[in-house]
Amino acid sequence: AQSVTQLGSHVSVSEGALVLLRCNYSSSVPPYLFWYVQYPNQGLQLLLKYTSAATLVKGINGFEAEFKKSETSFHLTKPSAHMSDAAEYFCAVRMANAGKSTFGDGTTLTVKP
Amino acid sequence: GAGVSQSPSNKVTEKGKDVELRCDPISGHTALYWYRQSLGQGLEFLIYFQGNSAPDKSGLPSDRFSAERTGGSVSTLTIQRTQQEDSAVYLCASSYWDRNTGELFFGEGSRLTVL
Repeated sequence: AQSVTQLGSHVSVSEGALVLLRCNYSSSVPPYLFWYVQYPNQGLQLLLKYTSAATLVKGINGFEAEFKKSETSFHLTKPSAHMSDAAEYFCAVRMANAGKSTFGDGTTLTVKP
Repeated sequence: GAGVSQSPSNKVTEKGKDVELRCDPISGHTALYWYRQSLGQGLEFLIYFQGNSAPDKSGLPSDRFSAERTGGSVSTLTIQRTQQEDSAVYLCASSYWDRNTGELFFGEGSRLTVL
């Protein structure tokens, strides 16, 4: 069965600092991986996705994530945090030809001025 | 509409009452999902519809929960005899069945409060 672990339910960074949100997955074969973002009082929207093409994936708003099979990780990074990045971030995994996506518990990112 | 539409956006009910939550997916999307998001928790999968296939109901927490999808489009999630632990945000998502991605498009959710 597939599962997702997000390390750190809360991450706080200063504006301009590096953002690193961690995600590890558990599955028998490389899955499809996603990061979604949920801004306050809004629905979730896709930030980026890995679908077995390039291992370094670039998304919206300057975010990127790298798929590392050896570490079963798909960590999300952004070189320089902006106040508008404050939100909750969810990592999700879906097996090829499977229906449902399994989500992590989410990481709340706070950006301090 | 352009996105996934959910109604009502907020619902307050008394313990023991039945509630219905509606989801109108993006036109052309063949897959529809319901998730539940409780305070401080991640997204809990409830049920998944894909075309004319039998739905995957493996996430429904009890037999008080049911869902249907009429005409391959609009879906209704019904919770019977609501309990306080049912209080949560119920999220609907849809996707085009694409073997390569299957990214989900979410509605803004229906916030259910059971008093």
